[in-house]
Amino acid sequence: QVQLQVSGPGLVKPSDTLSLRCTVSGGSISGYYWTWIRQPAGQGLEWIGRIYSDGSTNSNPALKSRVTMSIDTSMNQLSLSLNSVTAADTAIYYCVRSVATLTKEWGQGALVTVSS
Amino acid sequence: DIQMTQSPSSLSASVGDRVTITCQASQDITNYLGWYQQKPGIAPNLLISDSSNLEAGVPSRFSANGSGTDFTFTIASLQPEDIATYYCQQYDNIPLTFGGGTKVEI
Repeated sequence: QVQLQVSGPGLVKPSDTLSLRCTVSGGSISGYYWTWIRQPAGQGLEWIGRIYSDGSTNSNPALKSRVTMSIDTSMNQLSLSLNSVTAADTAIYYCVRSVATLTKEWGQGALVTVSS
Repeated sequence: DIQMTQSPSSLSASVGDRVTITCQASQDITNYLGWYQQKPGIAPNLLISDSSNLEAGVPSRFSANGSGTDFTFTIASLQPEDIATYYCQQYDNIPLTFGGGTKVEI
């Protein structure tokens, strides 16, 4: 059973960059898509984007200009950066192992609050 | 973006009841539709993929069907552990999009 652990600062100031890391254990990072999804408290789910193990990415057009994703197969880690954050970016951020576009195995997520 | 309209947004039912949730896509997504269960404080869990394929380990009281734009999710006999919010998700087109969720209460 693959384990996905999201880590990073829980508090980010407005206009700063949100940076998160997802560490993958119990399985290979290669050969899969890795998806980022977020969920504001008490609200629905928003697809941020995905990265394949070869580094190719797809992002949500609503966020595309602010999103950067990367992958380090040697460390079994993937990263998400979201710049120019506002309070609207406050959410739980999930890392998900995906088969093509199907988001199958979810990590527990990490809460990021944007506040001064 | 493909819009996913899920209804109802909430429902209250009794143990043993049959519960049905619907999801409508704004355009044809063939059968690229998944259903997720999310309990409070826990990440969503994929129950059904490809519109009707039950994931391994998911109880058989859960089922779903549909194709094109109209989809249905059913709990044949509601159990106390089924209290959760359920989401549909289309994965035919990027960006993937979710329905607004259905909160199921007893």
